[in-house]
Amino acid sequence: DTAVSQTPKYLVTQMGNDKSIKCEQNLGHDTMYWYKQDSKKFLKIMFSYNNKELIINETVPNRFSPKSPDKAHLNLHINSLELGDSAVYFCASSLQRGLNEKLFFGSGTQLSVL
Amino acid sequence: AQSVTQLGSHVSVSEGALVLLRCNYSSSVPPYLFWYVQYPNQGLQLLLKYTSAATLVKGINGFEAEFKKSETSFHLTKPSAHMSDAAEYFCAVTSPQGAQKLVFGQGTRLTINP
Repeated sequence: DTAVSQTPKYLVTQMGNDKSIKCEQNLGHDTMYWYKQDSKKFLKIMFSYNNKELIINETVPNRFSPKSPDKAHLNLHINSLELGDSAVYFCASSLQRGLNEKLFFGSGTQLSVL
Repeated sequence: AQSVTQLGSHVSVSEGALVLLRCNYSSSVPPYLFWYVQYPNQGLQLLLKYTSAATLVKGINGFEAEFKKSETSFHLTKPSAHMSDAAEYFCAVTSPQGAQKLVFGQGTRLTINP
């Protein structure tokens, strides 16, 4: 049973397109996150939701819009894709929003913008 | 602002040898520190965490790390490397006073030689 699942695993698309990445967790966690890992493996938080409420919104272009229909899902929609958006995007969840909470990560979505 | 620096983007050791992965942090307030491991094509998994309790923290798979405030370090060690330890390792920091987000280092790739 997958704890945090993301789809698709690979996403290849053209510049200017709009795409979505879906994330679901079956752990009963309250908090979910999106992280971006660039080609140099640098990992940085983008967004965090707690019980469907946005609690962290880092300096991310407004072409990126997270949506949390319920606390088990956090989707990421990206408009007008650019070459620089190419990266691996990881969804994660934690039981609560505590600072020392263990994060459970999905296996990532590798986005390639051509 | 908080940050972590991992010394050495690539560490190579022989099977059975000591593993030492270095992490130094910068934080104006007492930090919470974490080590995560990323196996190929997988998401990150928590190895261990320090949250102001014991300074020597034991994690999974025989890893441990010691918090040294005087050196602002949180190095990861394992007495005897195993082939299955080959992976990317990330140090991360947050703080009780900070927002609920982890700041990751740039990662260290550990290679195990037979």
